[in-house]
Amino acid sequence: DGGITQSPKYLFRKEGQNVTLSCEQNLNHDAMYWYRQDPGQGLRLIYYSQIVNDFQKGDIAEGYSVSREKKESFPLTVTSAQKNPTAFYLCASSLYSEAFFGQGTRLTVV
Amino acid sequence: QQQVKQSPQSLIVQKGGISIINCAYENTAFDYFPWYQQFPGKGPALLIAIRPDVSEKKEGRFTISFNKSAKQFSLHIMDSQPGDSATYFCAAISSGNTPLVFGKGTRLSVIA
Repeated sequence: DGGITQSPKYLFRKEGQNVTLSCEQNLNHDAMYWYRQDPGQGLRLIYYSQIVNDFQKGDIAEGYSVSREKKESFPLTVTSAQKNPTAFYLCASSLYSEAFFGQGTRLTVV
Repeated sequence: QQQVKQSPQSLIVQKGGISIINCAYENTAFDYFPWYQQFPGKGPALLIAIRPDVSEKKEGRFTISFNKSAKQFSLHIMDSQPGDSATYFCAAISSGNTPLVFGKGTRLSVIA
């Protein structure tokens, strides 16, 4: 069953903590993306990777970091430098123009 | 600078009516225009998409109309149903694995 798996579904972070969101795909897609979704803001691009061991900053990369060591995996770390991390995080992958999304991780600061 | 502008922000339609959501873009390099449907707590799912070499594409009750000269495209949902109640996003992309650029979304409510 091909698709994109994000975990965990819900994540709680204490002030000053780093947390890592997982994204795995078995679609054999080269490109992967991380978006942040806030109410009324649409989807804003955090980071994207077009090939293994390479990634680029999106529009709102500050306070986030990523790695792309394997084609299947593109984890996102929300660092303590991200001052307002509470949001819904979406991972996507694409082959050419068509992008497919995971089911999201809702991160809440407690 | 917002590259894809979407309107309206929210929309209420009677069951059986037509829902219309509009988008406008600025970058003439865009060559693929998808629409995504998102239910609460879920990831967006590709609904329908169009390339600029055609003016209209229809899949079931969903139709995209595309106006290249005006740099506008719209989603029409015919015979709208309560199950269509969701947030709809238009998007645009230029060729290759470049990131999609999204509109801010339209929250559609179909009432009986």
